[in-house]
Amino acid sequence: GESVGLHLPTLSVQEGDNSIINCAYSNSASDYFIWYKQESGKGPQFIIDIRSNMDKRQGQRVTVLLNKTVKHLSLQIAATQPGDSAVYFCAEKGNNAGNMLTFGGGTRLMVKP
Amino acid sequence: DVKVTQSSRYLVKRTGEKVFLECVQDMDHENMFWYRQDPGLGLRLIYFSYDVKMKEKGDIPEGYSVSREKKERFSLILESASTNQTSMYLCASSFYPGPSYEQYFGPGTRLTVT
Repeated sequence: GESVGLHLPTLSVQEGDNSIINCAYSNSASDYFIWYKQESGKGPQFIIDIRSNMDKRQGQRVTVLLNKTVKHLSLQIAATQPGDSAVYFCAEKGNNAGNMLTFGGGTRLMVKP
Repeated sequence: DVKVTQSSRYLVKRTGEKVFLECVQDMDHENMFWYRQDPGLGLRLIYFSYDVKMKEKGDIPEGYSVSREKKERFSLILESASTNQTSMYLCASSFYPGPSYEQYFGPGTRLTVT
């Protein structure tokens, strides 16, 4: 029979509002974190990254916050637009993992006009 | 712009067939990766390669093999396709070492095994 996959957590926001997407990571020794955006039918695209010696980094309309105490990462998108609708993944790199990234399950962001 | 291309966007194969998925990158990256992506499970690493003819198993290598004869090309092989290998397959590449650990992804191949 057909297998049923896990459902993605979904965040629904109004156009123009700010969005906050959260991610809990598992490895306290991780020293690098990255957020990707994946639009339907496309591969993941880099949004922003942050190293463990920082707790905040800003890009264009996006901010990543890192809380190492509780192993939590968040992506904030200001003035969310319809083009921001996508699945967002966080990924971490352990400090002895070479260049390998470990990805989270993803969150679907839906922007209502 | 870095470009990672994959040979097919959609592929339908029968159980037991041998399947080749090809990936090419044009930025002279040392590292190349193959992932499979299933809903809610994120990206799971199948194999990666850090140099020509070098390969390392990822988290889910069973049922797959890889080949890297040239730096720009990394192939994923399903020796005998099974229905549980129906998935989206993503190839990625990255520099080694840094400046960042960003991986550049191709558009993906959606494989259906019937």
